Amino acid sequence: NAGVTQTPKFQVLKTGQSMTLQCAQDMNHNSMYWYRQDPGMGLRLIYYSASEGTTDKGEVPNGYNVSRLNKREFSLRLESAAPSQTSVYFCASTHRESHPSANYGYTFGSGTRLTVV
Amino acid sequence: AQTVTQSQPEMSVQEAETVTLSCTYDTSESDYYLFWYKQPPSRQMILVIRQEAYKQQNATENRFSVNFQKAAKSFSLKISDSQLGDAAMYFCAYRSRRGSQGNLIFGKGTKLSVKP
Repeated sequence: NAGVTQTPKFQVLKTGQSMTLQCAQDMNHNSMYWYRQDPGMGLRLIYYSASEGTTDKGEVPNGYNVSRLNKREFSLRLESAAPSQTSVYFCASTHRESHPSANYGYTFGSGTRLTVV
Repeated sequence: AQTVTQSQPEMSVQEAETVTLSCTYDTSESDYYLFWYKQPPSRQMILVIRQEAYKQQNATENRFSVNFQKAAKSFSLKISDSQLGDAAMYFCAYRSRRGSQGNLIFGKGTKLSVKP
């Protein structure tokens, strides 16, 4: 099925451990995003990639790094996990603004629930 | 910077009744998109309805409709004939049409409960 695939779905880390969240889309979208969702806070943008080869910081980038590996894949890395990074993480993708289908909003993955203890 | 405000953290509706969820936003732009997303307990983010700011006509998708008041910067969602499956978190979101600023900005959400 076409869409956005995130792995893993659940993860528990100890403080200081590192891990990479994987995201891949098969809709030929140019732009990809990583959000975190915390209770009462909505979804906040961590990093985004407007097109292959570019990445930019969002609202809450501290403690994270990203890699746009190719047009399909956009990974999020936690180098030294902290309890404050306990959250649900969503990857999303969409066409660039100039694309005729840009008004269809974002397509989201199913999320990763990360707990840092 | 644009902001999106959902002033109702929780709402409740009786099955088969109608409910309206509120959303206001702040922007200096004239051309943008607005969206409502639904997040059921499964956690999946589902696009419910979208509105392009240049269109005066309010968007409608089956039982879901919006009241878009551009001058007031208001974008409310009306759910008619509410069903048990409508119970979820609902997020209002804004997206600029200007280049790299086309990131989706979310409100904090409204939790909708549907009573049988």
